[in-house]
Amino acid sequence: DAGVIQSPRHEVTEMGQEVTLRCKPISGHDYLFWYRQTMMRGLELLIYFNNNVPIDDSGMPEDRFSAKMPNASFSTLKIQPSEPRDSAVYFCASSYSGQNTEAFFGQGTRLTVV
Amino acid sequence: GENVEQHPSTLSVQEGDSAVIKCTYSDSASNYFPWYKQELGKRPQLIIDIRSNVGEKKDQRIAVTLNKTAKHFSLHITETQPEDSAVYFCAAEGLNAGGTSYGKLTFGQGTILTVHP
Repeated sequence: DAGVIQSPRHEVTEMGQEVTLRCKPISGHDYLFWYRQTMMRGLELLIYFNNNVPIDDSGMPEDRFSAKMPNASFSTLKIQPSEPRDSAVYFCASSYSGQNTEAFFGQGTRLTVV
Repeated sequence: GENVEQHPSTLSVQEGDSAVIKCTYSDSASNYFPWYKQELGKRPQLIIDIRSNVGEKKDQRIAVTLNKTAKHFSLHITETQPEDSAVYFCAAEGLNAGGTSYGKLTFGQGTILTVHP
């Protein structure tokens, strides 16, 4: 398996534009997590899914952020409209059975909003 | 919700010395405590984990200890090498916001470890 795959690796966009980040989890994994990493706030859990269903979105910063998981092999995180303070590295991770098991991270998407 | 505090934020040691990183957590329901290593520009990767029914776990030069009563756990690296230089994150797995499901990992703020040759 190629691991968790995220795209794009880098994204530079202008303030106000819509940004869509994509993630393909490891085949067979039933949990998918979206994290945001910044120097100031560290690694923050934004939302996670179990069997494509959102379980906890309490970490989503505001209504500009939305996430979907239409099937077991694909998820998106969308920011609309984007703002400079959204600049961060966004990681997707997946795990099998969620509880007490390793979460495998993707390579991350470095988002810069200018 | 869960709150994880990690100390120190930076740690500098000489090659061959030991390094210790400590974390505390707030939610007594948390039952899984992984440690991740993140090299510059790369993804976090699991290096060791411990479950709540175990007090200590060792894997070659790294070990983790857990004190559930005090709600703290620590990472110990012995005989440090320059390639151990990275950011280390502790995490605690607890219940989701609705209290119905585990799987939610809360991370500490990270420790930048520098091992000098």
